[in-house]
Parts: sequence; structure tokens; C-alpha cells
Amino acid sequence: QKEVEQDPGPLSVPEGAIVSLNCTYSNSAFQYFMWYRQYSRKGPELLMYTYSSGNKEDGSFTAQVDKSSKYISLFIRDSQPSDSATYLCAMSPDTGRRALTFGSGTRLQVQP
Amino acid sequence: KAGVTQTPRYLIKTRGQQVTLSCSPISGHRSVSWYQQTPGQGLQFLFEYFSETQRNKGNFPGRFSGRQFSNSRSEMNVSTLELGDSALYLCASSSGQASGNTIYFGEGSWLTVV
Repeated sequence: QKEVEQDPGPLSVPEGAIVSLNCTYSNSAFQYFMWYRQYSRKGPELLMYTYSSGNKEDGSFTAQVDKSSKYISLFIRDSQPSDSATYLCAMSPDTGRRALTFGSGTRLQVQP
Repeated sequence: KAGVTQTPRYLIKTRGQQVTLSCSPISGHRSVSWYQQTPGQGLQFLFEYFSETQRNKGNFPGRFSGRQFSNSRSEMNVSTLELGDSALYLCASSSGQASGNTIYFGEGSWLTVV
């Protein structure tokens, strides 16, 4: 079993929809959580990072962390075709180590 | 502020050859990490350098090596290339502080081994 599980999709939604992307993890040492967006043949772009349980909002993105359930989510409000990409969750122990463990990524398609 | 720069962007090598990839981190960042991305295995951590010292290493064979220079620029080398080494190699840059810092990726180097 992988340490981080993420549904690969593809997830297809109409323009303007609220998108929910999720990851579960098994390693309780993970304390530092990130979401990256990756367009085809590009490097991952950092969208959100959070260190604690709860919600964090930034523009059209909301990141949610539930450490008790080992479950993290990313919500995208008013999704646009330009949001079509692969979304990767990543996490690590907050010990100064920079080894991120990634989910496999969810491919999102926003239909105009 | 310039982002993480990786060179070359694309390269094709023959099985058995070696390859060197280069990474220039964001100005002021002292930590450089390398990741391999393949369709089958996803993004996997190779190693991390901080102040010219390897601080952490992933589960890859010794054919994969790296180094960091005093200006924080980093190189990774893969010797005796195998077909399975075909991948996107990503460099990530961060301040390297103990907590609360963010990690930024470059565009990657696409390696094809034939």
C-alpha cells in the first residue's frame, strides 16, 4: 500500500463547477501538506501549503486538512478550462527534511 | 525574482551512456532536491543537498548521484543509463530552513534513453 493515495481520475467537470480533489495518507508523521498543479510537460506549480489541521483559503483555492482522519482536500471554486491540469498532493514530516512524498496525481478536465 | 532553472530541457541518450543535469535554485535558496517523475511510479525523491552536503537520499541505485556547489547550483549524474531511466527529472528549491518554508520546482529535464 502506498503512503499517499490519490484517485488518478480523470475528473471531468463543467466550467464554473466546484471541484473537490482528495488524498489519504497512512504515515502519521506527515505534518506538512502541499498541493501542486502540473500542466502537460511542465514542472509542478505550488498552489497551497499548510502545516496544521483546518482550512486555508487562497483565491479560488481552499485546502483542508484532517489529521485525525489522515485526509486532505483541495477545493477549486468557479473552475475554468485553464484549471485543466494534473493536481498532485504532497506531504512530508516537518523535521527539516525536504523529502516530499507525492500522490499519483488527479487529472482534471474542465469543460467549457 | 527568477525561478528554478534546469538545463538541458530535453535530451536523448543511448543505453550505457551517462548524463549530467544542471539546476540553478531560486536566489537565496540553499536547499536543492531532485525528483524523478515517470508515468508508472509518479514523482519520487532522489536526494537533497543543503550547503554542499547531501542531507537526505531516496531509494535509488548508486548510479544516481549528485552534488552541490558553493553557489547552491546543483548537478545530478546518472551513469550507465538504462531504458527505465527515461523520465522527467525535476529540481526543487527551498530555503532549507527547518519548517514553514515552501518548495518550488523547475520545469524539468526530459531524458529519453534509447
